[in-house]
Amino acid sequence: DAGVIQSPRHEVTEMGQEVTLRCKPISGHDYLFWYRQTMMRGLELLIYFNNNVPIDDSGMPEDRFSAKMPNASFSTLKIQPSEPRDSAVYFCASSVYRTGGETQYFGPGTRLLVL
Amino acid sequence: AQKITQTQPGMFVQEKEAVTLDCTYDTSDPSYGLFWYKQPSSGEMIFLIYQGSYDQQNATEGRYSLNFQKARKSANLVISASQLGDSAMYFCAMRVGTGGFKTIFGAGTRLFVKA
Repeated sequence: DAGVIQSPRHEVTEMGQEVTLRCKPISGHDYLFWYRQTMMRGLELLIYFNNNVPIDDSGMPEDRFSAKMPNASFSTLKIQPSEPRDSAVYFCASSVYRTGGETQYFGPGTRLLVL
Repeated sequence: AQKITQTQPGMFVQEKEAVTLDCTYDTSDPSYGLFWYKQPSSGEMIFLIYQGSYDQQNATEGRYSLNFQKARKSANLVISASQLGDSAMYFCAMRVGTGGFKTIFGAGTRLFVKA
């Protein structure tokens, strides 16, 4: 089975540009998460979806960030306009809850650098 | 407040010995899940083990076991027979909220396995 797929793996952009990160969750998983990892703040949950519906976006830093999940196999995280402080590794993860246990499987991450 | 605390920034262990990585948590919700992840230098996040708050037995997955002490609110990871490939960053995480999947992460512990 393919794992969580993220693209691009690396992104370098200039301040003010729009950045779109993409994620394909594992088939059959009904939860999708977007995380950001920085040295200063560690791993932060930005937003998560259940069955394509955003459930908690309290971690989204500000209005420049938006996330969508138009269907069960695709999600995007958009930053517009981007700023240098957005530089981080962005992870997408997917999960399915079953009686007896749960796991979150992470994608490889997108390393974003905003100049 | 919901919180995950990992008090060991770095740990050393001799190859083939066991090591315990500490994790304490704080939540008032009776339903929660506890996770451990491994992040090697390559950057991916690898799920290791899960413990549910209602689970009576400690979780085990191969060389990994979770020492769950509910009254003390601790969920320590035990790695038996350490291998050089275990050198990595280890994160403890907690899924909080009944019916919700918001997940918070600790700051991590960097493990160094010595030959």
